[in-house]
Amino acid sequence: GEDVEQSLFLSVREGDSSVINCTYTDSSSTYLYWYKQEPGAGLQLLTYIFSNMDMKQDQRLTVLLNKKDKHLSLRIADTQTGDSAIYFCAERPQWGNKLVFGAGTILRVKS
Amino acid sequence: NAGVTQTPKFQVLKTGQSMTLQCAQDMNHNSMYWYRQDPGMGLRLIYYSASEGTTDKGEVPNGYNVSRLNKREFSLRLESAAPSQTSVYFCASRDRGPVDTQYFGPGTRLTVL
Repeated sequence: GEDVEQSLFLSVREGDSSVINCTYTDSSSTYLYWYKQEPGAGLQLLTYIFSNMDMKQDQRLTVLLNKKDKHLSLRIADTQTGDSAIYFCAERPQWGNKLVFGAGTILRVKS
Repeated sequence: NAGVTQTPKFQVLKTGQSMTLQCAQDMNHNSMYWYRQDPGMGLRLIYYSASEGTTDKGEVPNGYNVSRLNKREFSLRLESAAPSQTSVYFCASRDRGPVDTQYFGPGTRLTVL
């Protein structure tokens, strides 16, 4: 079956790096995503990685994918207070129309 | 280009009342989705519509109905609201371009007393 798991909470100091981890179960997933949800708002696509890639970098964001262990991580460099939000990992299984979301990781950035 | 819009933003109902949550997208996407978000449970799919004229159940469809009115609009109806339906509801539409992902509305916060 399909399942995505994340740790629920992460607290970091401003300027430090944040690493949010995710594990998934469907090895046929073609895309993996990170979404950000700010307080009172909907989810916004932050970044994504294709399943045939190991790493993707986009400014302060680095996504690492370990397909063998079905492990996805999101690293935010130089974390700012504006990065405080809930971060959702999601996978798109090869077949079907839906995304499977994790429960979300609350990132708290202390100044 | 407003993306995905939802109305209302907030709603309070009494147990047994009915209401319809509205969603519209202006991105010409074929697929649309309704999710509910509860603390510690992430997003759970209620219903989706792969294309105009079709709807399918998701993980948690009980107590809900949907209508895909046209390509732009996808509504979610609660016929007889229950306290267990207190949640934040998100509508999304799917872009099958290179990223093939979903774009979300701002959400409707529903409380059932």
